[in-house]
Amino acid sequence: DAKTTQPNSMESNEEEPVHLPCNHSTISGTDYIHWYRQLPSQGPEYVIHGLTSNVNNRMASLAIAEDRKSSTLILHRATLRDAAVYYCILRDVAGGSARQLTFGSGTQLTVLP
Amino acid sequence: DAEITQSPRHKITETGRQVTLACHQTWNHNNMFWYRQDLGHGLRLIHYSYGVQDTNKGEVSDGYSVSRSNTEDLPLTLESAASSQTSVYFCASSDGGNSYEQYFGPGTRLTVT
Repeated sequence: DAKTTQPNSMESNEEEPVHLPCNHSTISGTDYIHWYRQLPSQGPEYVIHGLTSNVNNRMASLAIAEDRKSSTLILHRATLRDAAVYYCILRDVAGGSARQLTFGSGTQLTVLP
Repeated sequence: DAEITQSPRHKITETGRQVTLACHQTWNHNNMFWYRQDLGHGLRLIHYSYGVQDTNKGEVSDGYSVSRSNTEDLPLTLESAASSQTSVYFCASSDGGNSYEQYFGPGTRLTVT
């Protein structure tokens, strides 16, 4: 499986945008990029996913580099509730494990008031 | 509302005892998953099921077993609990096929003394 690299931790000020980077230099053509987040003492929750084009939803935006070797999760206006561990995950939809997720260590986001 | 529940939420057991953790979902999802999360780390896949009577081993399956007798439930059994199995256990489910979103339960914190 292709792997991802994320910074261990990041800080942001409340009500400012946050850009969470993810490197995936060995991504294959059938790998989707998924982002999940895990709030303290909770199970992970889905944030967003994409293949090639940038994506927006009510929670966040996903910017995908043209060569797909990196991506950035954008929280447009961080709130204290956004403090969580953010996981960038590649999912190969063509493989036998298409329905599985492989979690790395993620990025611990701290939001400062 | 549809949901995924886990019980118990907290469990303390002794080394060598058999322990069963329950997972129940009301989405009628075909896919169900069990993960463990050790302190400060990401989630690792233990077992998964793509439907009734289907079970598969994940990355860290030694010492664990699952059975799938209906769509709603995937109980996880620790056959002979070991201190190394002290962890937080998360159950998740997703729709069939290449559904991109897994829904996670609240987790069970298991301590083996």
